Amino acid sequence: QQQVKQSPQSLIVQKGGISIINCAYENTAFDYFPWYQQFPGKGPALLIAIRPDVSEKKEGRFTISFNKSAKQFSLHIMDSQPGDSATYFCAAEKDNTDKLIFGTGTRLQVFP
Amino acid sequence: NAGVTQTPKFQVLKTGQSMTLQCAQDMNHNSMYWYRQDPGMGLRLIYYSASEGTTDKGEVPNGYNVSRLNKREFSLRLESAAPSQTSVYFCASSEGVRRGAPTQYFGPGTRLLVL
Repeated sequence: QQQVKQSPQSLIVQKGGISIINCAYENTAFDYFPWYQQFPGKGPALLIAIRPDVSEKKEGRFTISFNKSAKQFSLHIMDSQPGDSATYFCAAEKDNTDKLIFGTGTRLQVFP
Repeated sequence: NAGVTQTPKFQVLKTGQSMTLQCAQDMNHNSMYWYRQDPGMGLRLIYYSASEGTTDKGEVPNGYNVSRLNKREFSLRLESAAPSQTSVYFCASSEGVRRGAPTQYFGPGTRLLVL
C-alpha cells in the first residue's frame, strides 16, 4: 500500500530548464513533507521541507509547492544544472510519529 | 564529526547465513532508523528506535532483528539471510519531530547480496 505516490519515475531535462516532480498522499494526518536528494553510491540528504500551514517554500533554485486540499506537493528545480542529476524522494511524516514514509523516487538527469 | 557511519560497506552472503550490520552516530540523536532501498520501491522502514532501549517495527520487519546498544549504536541482524533480502541498507538518525528537529541524517549504506 503506497501512501505517498511519486511521479515521474524518471525525468530528463536540459540545462537551464525547470524540473518538476510530483507527489500525492492519502493520509490527512501527515504534517511534515520533506524532499531528499540522493547521489549514486551515497545516502539520501535533506534538500528542503514544508509543513501544511504554508503553500510554498523556496530555498535558492528549489521550491516546494503544497496543495492541502488536493493532498499534493511538488518539487520545482529552476535553472536545472548537470550537478542536480540525482534521485529525488518525497516523503511524509504522520502526527509526530518520527517515521517517514517515502515515495518511490524520481531519477533526474540534466543534460548540458 | 563523522555523522552516521555504517559497516560493512559491501557484503556477500549465502542463503541461510547470518550477519549483523553496524551503525553508529556521533550527533547525540535520540532516534535511529534502519531502511532498505530497492529499485522502484523507494526507502522502506525496517525498524525504528526512539531512544536507547526501545525499538519499534517499521513497514518491513520480517526476517530482521535490531539492537539499540546505547545512544550511539543501532545494529540490524539477519538471522538467516534470504535472496529477497538482497538490497541496500541505510541507517539514519534524527533528533525527532517532537523535539522540533525532524531531519533524518543518513549513512553511506551497506550493499548486501544474498546468493
